Amino acid sequence: GAGVSQSPRYKVTKRGQDVALRCDPISGHVSLYWYRQALGQGPEFLTYFNYEAQQDKSGLPNDRFSAERPEGSISTLTIQRTEQRDSAMYRCASSDGQGASGNTIYFGEGSWLTVV
Amino acid sequence: QKEVEQNSGPLSVPEGAIASLNCTYSDRGSQSFFWYRQYSGKSPELIMFIYSNGDKEDGRFTAQLNKASQYVSLLIRDSQPSDSATYLCAILGPMNRDDKIIFGKGTRLHILP
Repeated sequence: GAGVSQSPRYKVTKRGQDVALRCDPISGHVSLYWYRQALGQGPEFLTYFNYEAQQDKSGLPNDRFSAERPEGSISTLTIQRTEQRDSAMYRCASSDGQGASGNTIYFGEGSWLTVV
Repeated sequence: QKEVEQNSGPLSVPEGAIASLNCTYSDRGSQSFFWYRQYSGKSPELIMFIYSNGDKEDGRFTAQLNKASQYVSLLIRDSQPSDSATYLCAILGPMNRDDKIIFGKGTRLHILP
């Protein structure tokens, strides 16, 4: 696609429910990143993939958070048993990963998650 | 020590003046450095990247990198009210480690008309 596409754009869920956030990266982009951004803060790294391989998941807050990219394109970030503290903007980004300029990442519009 | 540090601001600069935004980083092996601009309620968008010591200019924007001092800055000349936004510094780790890109908390810039 022309840009990074995320869905849903807005999600309100009850505490304890599971949520799945989807990211469709720019076509052909090798690397895909997930970030979480609180109001007034910079994007906080969660995890990233090169193709289908999850290279680093050190930023995932706990084992309720998981991500996958089974075919090296679309990715899903899943949060199980959501808690109110999970409420945030979740941003996906992708890059073609080729050299310094290729490591430039392009962000989607984000998914706003509110846990009530 | 945090990996990427920025003054949160707000930094207020008169219209037409030079705005100077600064960023320090902890990993001496970092290889690439990025400046993103984020308007309120919007996604971050790339302004510039730099990976060699010295200056890199693009229009009204100049990125400056000093690897010895682990310092990267962004200068905005002839500041305009439309430059009012949060500016995010981001770094890419050492080539032999991974492609993780880490962001600072951002500096809020306010251009005074």
